Amino acid sequence: QITLKESGPTVVKATETLTLTCTFSGFSLSTSGVGVGWIRQPPGKALEWLALIYWDDDKRYSPSLESRLTISKDTSKNQVVLTMTNIDPVDTATYYCAHRRGTYGSGSYFNWFDPWGQGTLVTVSS
Amino acid sequence: DIQMTQSPSSLSVSVGDRVTITCRASQSISSYLNWYQQKPGNSPKVLIYSASSLQSGVPSRFSGSGSGTDFSLTISNLQPEDFATYYCQQSYSTPTFGQGTKVEIK
Repeated sequence: QITLKESGPTVVKATETLTLTCTFSGFSLSTSGVGVGWIRQPPGKALEWLALIYWDDDKRYSPSLESRLTISKDTSKNQVVLTMTNIDPVDTATYYCAHRRGTYGSGSYFNWFDPWGQGTLVTVSS
Repeated sequence: DIQMTQSPSSLSVSVGDRVTITCRASQSISSYLNWYQQKPGNSPKVLIYSASSLQSGVPSRFSGSGSGTDFSLTISNLQPEDFATYYCQQSYSTPTFGQGTKVEIK
């Protein structure tokens, strides 16, 4: 059974750096094909994908936030860390990490996020 | 970025109704389209992947269709536990989500 749990500060001051940790179990981030992503959701708003890290340490970022984000992994600890610099009140959101699952079909590799962690609400104070 | 546009943004329906939510991509994404359900206070759960494949454990009243730029999620015989917000997500390139469709009780 795969589980993920986010941890980090609940309140951050504007201009500071936010560091969030995703601790997971039930899979290894050293296994080929595996990935972990971060997604956020401002209160009452839609989901926004932030970043993704793969088993081979390949990293992908949202183009609109790339300059502020860094994703990394610690395979021995089963953790993925996301840092976001120069935080602003508009970054107030629930931050989720999620396991990237995939399968081959019709000659293509399809992937989706499953499961997700419970999320952690981060409030940015001005 | 590939933009995902869902419609409608909300709808009021009754138990037993058939509901269809559409999702349009700003460019062709083949069948790289997933659907999620999110209930208040909970994290999203995948319902459909690769446009039409039902995730294990998801009731068969949920179905997905489409390819290219136009996709739909259909819920037949809506049940009380189906009142939630639904999101589409493309996995053709760096992931993007639609803005969500809230299914409310009429």
